[in-house]
Amino acid sequence: KQEVTQIPAALSVPEGENLVLNCSFTDSAIYNLQWFRQDPGKGLTSLLLIQSSQREQTSGRLNASLDKSSGRSTLYIAASQPGDSATYLCAVLRSNDYKLSFGAGTTVTVRA
Amino acid sequence: DAGITQSPRHKVTETGTPVTLRCHQTENHRYMYWYRQDPGHGLRLIHYSYGVKDTDKGEVSDGYSVSRSKTEDFLLTLESATSSQTSVYFCATSAGLGGQETQYFGPGTRLLVL
Repeated sequence: KQEVTQIPAALSVPEGENLVLNCSFTDSAIYNLQWFRQDPGKGLTSLLLIQSSQREQTSGRLNASLDKSSGRSTLYIAASQPGDSATYLCAVLRSNDYKLSFGAGTTVTVRA
Repeated sequence: DAGITQSPRHKVTETGTPVTLRCHQTENHRYMYWYRQDPGHGLRLIHYSYGVKDTDKGEVSDGYSVSRSKTEDFLLTLESATSSQTSVYFCATSAGLGGQETQYFGPGTRLLVL
């Protein structure tokens, strides 16, 4: 069974600091990994999708890396802003059944 | 947004009553999913559909049933609601199976079972 862990569960940083969010998974047989953002009371919005053959993916201030062999992904958010305050979830797509396994998320607060 | 709506957005019900949640999409996506989200847990897949009248179980399907009679609608039914089914329910859609392509999520339904 695929287990996805995100540590820490919560993070508070001052505006302008770079954010580093971690995701680990137990089974390296994945098709891809996605990072999502969830605002309070809202659904999830996809931020980045990394295929298993890729090492990283970038979108604006966001950069996600993937080390499939060690079961780790990191989401970097450069020069954080108060608008980046949200919960960030990672999810891995299992190769055997094409179902997503989600982590519990890291709740980020960026202080102005 | 991918044009996904969920109804109702909030519901309070009593133990033992049936409850139906509706997901409606305007993207003509083939695949639709129902997840539940609980504190300390990630989203967990309840059921999914890979076409009209084609559905399959997820990892937490006990006590839930689904139906899909049209491409745009996916219904989740709690046959006899229990307090353990108090949760936030999310519908999602995708053009490709699972996460091969991005999944798009609805705003969620908060369900409280008393």
